Amino acid sequence: QQQVKQSPQSLIVQKGGISIINCAYENTAFDYFPWYQQFPGKGPALLIAIRPDVSEKKEGRFTISFNKSAKQFSLHIMDSQPGDSATYFCAAIDTGGGNKLTFGTGTQLKVEL
Amino acid sequence: NAGVTQTPKFQVLKTGQSMTLQCAQDMNHNSMYWYRQDPGMGLRLIYYSASEGTTDKGEVPNGYNVSRLNKREFSLRLESAAPSQTSVYFCASSEREGFSYEQYFGPGTRLTVT
Repeated sequence: QQQVKQSPQSLIVQKGGISIINCAYENTAFDYFPWYQQFPGKGPALLIAIRPDVSEKKEGRFTISFNKSAKQFSLHIMDSQPGDSATYFCAAIDTGGGNKLTFGTGTQLKVEL
Repeated sequence: NAGVTQTPKFQVLKTGQSMTLQCAQDMNHNSMYWYRQDPGMGLRLIYYSASEGTTDKGEVPNGYNVSRLNKREFSLRLESAAPSQTSVYFCASSEREGFSYEQYFGPGTRLTVT
């Protein structure tokens, strides 16, 4: 059962462009939405996270937009750089049901010069 | 402070063999997790341990067993490996701090079952 759907599966962006990754969820009990970044051969690492009581959170070039009514959230990477090339996973947690992450299927981002 | 460590990094097994993947964390976290990562499927939770002495099944527990040896260590055992268990396995740990639910991941174990 895919509780968090992520798209696109892969993305190629030119240096300086905007990368956009979208996720949708079904479980209305989810109340914490992190994004993880994974480089080849490494474990995922937390990039940025949002709670549903805010519609947007920005950290540097990374922004999460959250639409509670549509049950959708997205990651925007502004001024994308080759060093941003990685796999990105959205995730969701029902904090009342334990600290168990439900991951999306991942987006492989490549930023070209 | 090594964070989350996993051994081994790579392993090749024949069908039917058994092995234990080891995980340790030095962050004094209560919760620990085992995930598998397969292409196009993201990370899927195999088992987790909310605290020392407790373990619970995740999304894909069949064919695996776990042991929470102490607060630091959480091992994953494959009793009779199958080719379907070829995957990259990640261990993670976490501790709730305010509104943060960050999980810290180890570097992974790449397992091939032939």
